[in-house]
Amino acid sequence: EVQLVESGGGLVQPGGSLRLSCAASGFTFSSYEMNWVRQAPGKGLEWVSYISSSGSTIYYADSVKGRFTISRDNAKNSLYLQMNSLRAEDTAVYYCARDRSSGWFDFDYWGQGTLVTVSS
Amino acid sequence: NFMLTQPHSVSESPGKTVTISCTGSSGSIASNYVQWYQQRPGSAPTTVIYEDNQRPSGVPDRFSGSIDSSSNSASLTISGLKTEDEADYYCQSYDSSNHRVFGGGTKLTVL
Repeated sequence: EVQLVESGGGLVQPGGSLRLSCAASGFTFSSYEMNWVRQAPGKGLEWVSYISSSGSTIYYADSVKGRFTISRDNAKNSLYLQMNSLRAEDTAVYYCARDRSSGWFDFDYWGQGTLVTVSS
Repeated sequence: NFMLTQPHSVSESPGKTVTISCTGSSGSIASNYVQWYQQRPGSAPTTVIYEDNQRPSGVPDRFSGSIDSSSNSASLTISGLKTEDEADYYCQSYDSSNHRVFGGGTKLTVL
């Protein structure tokens, strides 16, 4: 069974940093491209970042470019999101989501999410 | 920037059919596949349609997707509405930079 479990969320002050993790199991993690998607309270889904299976190709939404860094450790079956210079508008539930297949730009599995709250 | 626009909300009675639209801001929506996700309160999204009109296993055939090039729109149609279909629905595609793009979401009320 495919499982994605996020962790690392919490309360952080504006300007602070946080590192999210996503532990993957039930599939060959190193063969799949991965993403982070967020959802502000009461709002819609927003794609945040993508990383290829090898980690060689990375994309970011304009709203986080230069502040967030996506990475992965295929030996540990883990995906990460380093978030720096956090702002109130970064408050959201952050989901890790798997691309359905290489070259296909949609998601077939999602974690349950981890809440990040940016507030003083 | 490429955007997808959905109605904020739709409502319909049980047993009826409802269609949710998703309009692309530029280019041809038919150029890139569109997906549809269902999200119930407190849960992660799940796929109901991928590649414009394909249903994942386990999704009932009451759910269907289509593309209308003349209006540059994708549509999700749910027939034989059930109260369990009440949820938020999001369309999703991608832009020329391979960035994934979501529509703003549509709240479906089955009353």
